[in-house]
Amino acid sequence: AQTVTQSQPEMSVQEAETVTLSCTYDTSENNYYLFWYKQPPSRQMILVIRQEAYKQQNATENRFSVNFQKAAKSFSLKISDSQLGDTAMYFCAFMKPILNDMRFGAGTRLTVKP
Amino acid sequence: SQTIHQWPATLVQPVGSPLSLECTVEGTSNPNLYWYRQAAGRGLQLLFYSVGIGQISSEVPQNLSASRPQDRQFILSSKKLLLSDSGFYLCACLGQGRHEQYFGPGTRLTVT
Repeated sequence: AQTVTQSQPEMSVQEAETVTLSCTYDTSENNYYLFWYKQPPSRQMILVIRQEAYKQQNATENRFSVNFQKAAKSFSLKISDSQLGDTAMYFCAFMKPILNDMRFGAGTRLTVKP
Repeated sequence: SQTIHQWPATLVQPVGSPLSLECTVEGTSNPNLYWYRQAAGRGLQLLFYSVGIGQISSEVPQNLSASRPQDRQFILSSKKLLLSDSGFYLCACLGQGRHEQYFGPGTRLTVT
């Protein structure tokens, strides 16, 4: 079974600084998808960024980028120019095709300080 | 793009009472649908998923059940709630590109 591990329960960063959230996963699959979701205090789950395992190029979405290391089974999220609105829980998730069921890490609570 | 509705937003129920949470989806047809539970301060646990009407798969044995009476309707039920059923319940839909899931606003359930 696939497992997703987020080893940082809480992190904080100063506004405008850069922060990296860590995620590792365990799978025997070769084809899969990885995600970072953001959950603000409203508890709405918002998709931040997606990475296909077959793509070597790291995904980027504006201030958000990932460092995908397939051999190491590592998938970290870098947030540049942090904003107060980035304060939220961040969840790393793994999904394999066919059934498309998703496995989540325990989350990292990020606080952006003014 | 699809929109996911969940009803109700919050619910307080006594132990032993029945439960029915509803999820409806707009903007897509024949979607894969999912029910997750999130305990306080924790990650999401997959409870059920459905690939079509009447097709339900359960991830973990539990006090809950799910049904899909219509293509875009997914219902989470219980005959008798337990205290341990308290949590935040999220419904999700597989995106049309089939590469990501989108989530509804959730239902906060408190069992007293």
